[in-house]
Amino acid sequence: EIVLTQSPATLSLSPGERATLSCRASQNIFNYLAWYQQKVGQAPRLLIYDASNRATGIPARFSGSGAGTDFTLTISSLEPEDSAVYYCQHRAVWPLTFGGGTKVEIK
Amino acid sequence: QVQLVESGGGVVQPGRALRLSCAVSGFTFSGYAMHWVRQAPGKGPEWVAFISYDGSSKSYADSVKGRFTISRDNSKNILYLQVNSLRGEDTAVYFCAKELSPHYFDFWGQGTLVAVSS
Repeated sequence: EIVLTQSPATLSLSPGERATLSCRASQNIFNYLAWYQQKVGQAPRLLIYDASNRATGIPARFSGSGAGTDFTLTISSLEPEDSAVYYCQHRAVWPLTFGGGTKVEIK
Repeated sequence: QVQLVESGGGVVQPGRALRLSCAVSGFTFSGYAMHWVRQAPGKGPEWVAFISYDGSSKSYADSVKGRFTISRDNSKNILYLQVNSLRGEDTAVYFCAKELSPHYFDFWGQGTLVAVSS
């Protein structure tokens, strides 16, 4: 099973600041990685797939990069509504797995 | 618009069974693979099961293999998850999710809670 390790566990930033979230895979997953946003009481929402492709309707301030084992989700200028937990997920092999999440708090 | 609505959850004793359903609308159900993903209280999501667009291919997480069965009825636009021999660690909100091929999840339902307790 591929383990995805996310860091930091919590990120506390002010509106307008840049957020950088990391996801590291236990083995090469090429670019087969997605990022999701989950707000309290809601289902996850797909933000990025195949490491760098924005999903339909996702604002341009969200971007993804990386390949192999190291991946990054960047929120270029935080908005208050970006307060959420962010998860990465790979599709390289069965079983599909998620990372443990990074909580983004807006000061 | 795309809608996925889960039902069938509840409080159940260990060892018992439930059948979860996911009614979908707003897209051609028979053209897409589907998944079940669960989330235990305070934890991250955990992928549970996959079924191909026509039901011919399935895959399961090791934690549920042999106890859970995914199926679909393309004539009724419904996805199912039969959950047997329930354990405390199966307590979670169960989401159905439409696949963005291959093997990402682009639309999710609101979830149905399964609580296993004696």
